[in-house]
Amino acid sequence: DQQVKQNSPSLSVQEGRISILNCDYTNSMFDYFLWYKKYPAEGPTFLISISSIKDKNEDGRFTVFLNKSAKHLSLHIVPSQPGDSAVYFCAASARGNNQGGKLIFGQGTELSVKP
Amino acid sequence: NAGVMQNPRHLVRRRGQEARLRCSPMKGHSHVYWYRQLPEEGLKFMVYLQKENIIDESGMPKERFSAEFPKEGPSILRIQQVVRGDSAAYFCASSHVPDTQYFGPGTRLTVL
Repeated sequence: DQQVKQNSPSLSVQEGRISILNCDYTNSMFDYFLWYKKYPAEGPTFLISISSIKDKNEDGRFTVFLNKSAKHLSLHIVPSQPGDSAVYFCAASARGNNQGGKLIFGQGTELSVKP
Repeated sequence: NAGVMQNPRHLVRRRGQEARLRCSPMKGHSHVYWYRQLPEEGLKFMVYLQKENIIDESGMPKERFSAEFPKEGPSILRIQQVVRGDSAAYFCASSHVPDTQYFGPGTRLTVL
């Protein structure tokens, strides 16, 4: 049962343009969502998060949008840079459901930003 | 401020041997989580620990796997009698409260 899904395994974007990575979830108890970036042979690096009480959170070039009714979130990167090329994971947790911090991850989307 | 430390980075074991993976959380963090990433898959939750307590082990295989986070020292993930299917990258994460988790570089376990 895949509770968090990233349906696009890969995405290619031109440098300077916007990258949009998408994530869908099925569990309505999820109340905290995170995006991580991962390079090969390294651990995931935290990028940005959003609580379910918000619909948008912005940090520099990264913005996360949450649509609770559609159970959908997206990560926007603008402008995209070649150094952004990596695998991006969406993750969710149900903090308010006594689930502690257990994160459920999507399968990842490999972003390639071409110069 | 050092990040999450994991060692060893690479571990090779023969079938039937034991594997011990260590994780030192970020300074000030008392919550530790272990995840496993099998080839071509996403990260899967294994266990969540606080000092001396296992909070959630719902993702741990029932046999051969155990985890601890003692009062002093690193958290240990122990795999007894390893099999080829245990070959994976094992990641540890830590947090100050059950909130944003920061990950270590991982231990890549290869079972021959």
